[in-house]
Amino acid sequence: KAGVTQTPRYLIKTRGQQVTLSCSPISGHRSVSWYQQTPGQGLQFLFEYFSETQRNKGNFPGRFSGRQFSNSRSEMNVSTLELGDSALYLCASSPGRAETQYFGPGTRLLVL
Amino acid sequence: EDQVTQSPEALRLQEGESSSLNCSYTVSGLRGLFWYRQDPGKGPEFLFTLYSAGEEKEKERLKATLTKKESFLHITAPKPEDSATYLCAVQARNQGGKLIFGQGTELSVKP
Repeated sequence: KAGVTQTPRYLIKTRGQQVTLSCSPISGHRSVSWYQQTPGQGLQFLFEYFSETQRNKGNFPGRFSGRQFSNSRSEMNVSTLELGDSALYLCASSPGRAETQYFGPGTRLLVL
Repeated sequence: EDQVTQSPEALRLQEGESSSLNCSYTVSGLRGLFWYRQDPGKGPEFLFTLYSAGEEKEKERLKATLTKKESFLHITAPKPEDSATYLCAVQARNQGGKLIFGQGTELSVKP
């Protein structure tokens, strides 16, 4: 089975812009979660989607949003980018909620 | 507040020198504890899931154990290719799929 795929792998944006990241889960997996990883804060939970509905949200500002499509693919959007949004954004999928999550390679976002 | 603390932050071993990594956790109702390995520039790679105190799982040179307050990842006779950051995460019963991660232990194994 193919693993979790994320596109793009690298992205450079400037402050104030917005960005959309994409995640394709492992075939058959219906739950997708997103995490932000930075050297200072480590891995932090952003949100969880299951059956096209956001089920859980981490402690991030409203500039961070996401959605899930009927084929379980997910996107996350960050609007009005700030320098502090520079990070590795990781997507993870699992067969159902509260099951073992498998991570993608991540999207490295640099905000200048 | 749910929390995960890993120690040590960094560990340097000689090839063949066995050791253990610690993961202490505080969670309101543990559903599962997870160990991942992360290589630089890559996403975390799943290693183990533990669900209840007393449970143990093994894979090659790695063995994970779980108590009511902490988990250990034992590395027996490590090789240079075991060098990576090892991450511990917990999932609470009432939090769906949300994982709470520790800061990780950076392991370096020298030949």
